[in-house]
Amino acid sequence: EAQVTQNPRYLITVTGKKLTVTCSQNMNHEYMSWYRQDPGLGLRQIYYSMNVEVTDKGDVPEGYKVSRKEKRNFPLILESPSPNQTSLYFCASRTAGLGQPQHFGDGTRLSIL
Amino acid sequence: QKEVEQNSGPLSVPEGAIASLNCTYSDRGSQSFFWYRQYSGKSPELIMSIYSNGDKEDGRFTAQLNKASQYVSLLIRDSQPSDSATYLCAVPGGDNNDMRFGAGTRLTVKP
Repeated sequence: EAQVTQNPRYLITVTGKKLTVTCSQNMNHEYMSWYRQDPGLGLRQIYYSMNVEVTDKGDVPEGYKVSRKEKRNFPLILESPSPNQTSLYFCASRTAGLGQPQHFGDGTRLSIL
Repeated sequence: QKEVEQNSGPLSVPEGAIASLNCTYSDRGSQSFFWYRQYSGKSPELIMSIYSNGDKEDGRFTAQLNKASQYVSLLIRDSQPSDSATYLCAVPGGDNNDMRFGAGTRLTVKP
């Protein structure tokens, strides 16, 4: 089954404790992205990657890191999480080419206390 | 000006009615447009895409595109309570041509 898999689905942690949210896709997609979703603000892109070892900032990259060492994986790293990073996070992937739709993972709900 | 704008709603319609959802975008060069449905706490699900001016129908859903007015809409005919969700408009844009999302319109269909 074609899918984007995120882990964990839920996480409650404390300020300053490094965490990683994993994302994996099995569709051989070139593009992968991370979004956060907050009430009233919609989906905002954090980082994206156009292929292995190629990443760039989205609209709200502060406080996050990513890496793309393999085509299928695109982990999101919070080195020193803070309460304002409490949010619902989505990983997405799509094939290259203009106007290809995003395929989303099930989401990760992070609470930073 | 936001790149993709939607009325946040909430929009409430009775069961069986037509729900009309609207979206405007700022990038005149955009060539493709998407509507996603998102149930509370779930991930967005692609329901419609449209690339040419005019209407595109898929079951009870019709997407309408007017590039001159930079306007795309989604009509849901014979609305059902199961259509109650937030609808996101998405348009590729920006330097990376990746997807830009509107804030979403929350639709409630009342039995």
